[in-house]
Amino acid sequence: DVKVTQSSRYLVKRTGEKVFLECVQDMDHENMFWYRQDPGLGLRLIYFSYDVKMKEKGDIPEGYSVSREKKERFSLILESASTNQTSMYLCASRLDGDLPNTEAFFGQGTRLTVV
Amino acid sequence: EDQVTQSPEALRLQEGESSSLNCSYTVSGLRGLFWYRQDPGKGPEFLFTLYSAGEEKEKERLKATLTKKESFLHITAPKPEDSATYLCAVQAEGSARQLTFGSGTQLTVLP
Repeated sequence: DVKVTQSSRYLVKRTGEKVFLECVQDMDHENMFWYRQDPGLGLRLIYFSYDVKMKEKGDIPEGYSVSREKKERFSLILESASTNQTSMYLCASRLDGDLPNTEAFFGQGTRLTVV
Repeated sequence: EDQVTQSPEALRLQEGESSSLNCSYTVSGLRGLFWYRQDPGKGPEFLFTLYSAGEEKEKERLKATLTKKESFLHITAPKPEDSATYLCAVQAEGSARQLTFGSGTQLTVLP
């Protein structure tokens, strides 16, 4: 089974702190994604990466950056945390392309609270 | 722009009361439609992928179907453990890497 592991389930940070959310997948997937999920707004794509050191902005990249130094690891960085970044953060990975077996697999989520 | 709309937003059923969830989509060309289940406080769990109109997939009490404009997730004789949020997502032509998600249907099955 594909496993996507996020480094923390719950995180509390102070306004202005630099925050790192880590995600590791074990299935050699090319694509990795960071979403945030808020009530009534569904999943919104922050950034995704389709290869090592490659990244593309999603729908809501402001206030975030990402890093992908190794294929299995994709990090989300909040440069200066703000209270409006309090949310559930979800990491996902999937194979490239549109062949069968390209469903996305998700981590367990990180509930981030910024105080 | 690709769009996915799920209805209803919330659904309450009695145990054993069958029903359907709807996922309507607008894409330039559909490569795949995905259904996920999400329990509170957890990440979405993959259920099904559908690729072409007329296709059906089944898993226990769940059956997913696909037409050219929408997909249905049929739940037969649901149990309380089927309570969850069900998410639909599409992969469109020209977006080989990204998925567009709907906002989900929150299903509650009462004993």
